[in-house]
Amino acid sequence: DTGVSQDPRHKITKRGQNVTFRCDPISEHNRLYWYRQTLGQGPEFLTYFQNEAQLEKSRLLSDRFSAERPKGSFSTLEIQRTEQGDSAMYLCASSSDSQNSPLHFGNGTRLTVT
Amino acid sequence: EDQVTQSPEALRLQEGESSSLNCSYTVSGLRGLFWYRQDPGKGPEFLFTLYSAGEEKEKERLKATLTKKESFLHITAPKPEDSATYLCAVRLDFNKFYFGSGTKLNVKP
Repeated sequence: DTGVSQDPRHKITKRGQNVTFRCDPISEHNRLYWYRQTLGQGPEFLTYFQNEAQLEKSRLLSDRFSAERPKGSFSTLEIQRTEQGDSAMYLCASSSDSQNSPLHFGNGTRLTVT
Repeated sequence: EDQVTQSPEALRLQEGESSSLNCSYTVSGLRGLFWYRQDPGKGPEFLFTLYSAGEEKEKERLKATLTKKESFLHITAPKPEDSATYLCAVRLDFNKFYFGSGTKLNVKP
């Protein structure tokens, strides 16, 4: 069990540019989540995958955000035409199908939009 | 509306000074309450899961308890290495975990 891996750890981009983040979940976990966290706040739910199917998206997830999980393994989160308000920590988490399974988080990607 | 509220927002303790953190929730259909520890620049690290009122879980200096409306994280004789932000989350169904804003704990030697 190598844990949830996220890449890159930090990303600085200029407003209007597109960025893509990658998440590799714990290998046997079927469920994958993306959260966003700003300073002093708890993680906010963005979207959720069961295997390769995206089952739910938060109203926070504007049309500029898109997430994929091809083949039910790793996932990518893309933000198009970034805005300064997108600056945050983007966290990925995974869990097993067990009803009692907690979320296991990666160390996140810190995005700064200048 | 489903809500999770943590208090206090910040807590400063001397080493060895025991205290408790609170997580209150107003949700329907609770399927579990989770405690996490988060260090600066890192993702939350899972600590405990509680499912029913009266349940308790312990790990080293930490003990989590659950009632029908709130959960407490008791910290006994804390050490500086316990300094972190402690988050609670409720699960309403398989895909919905709602987090509180956390309590930032600072333990001074």
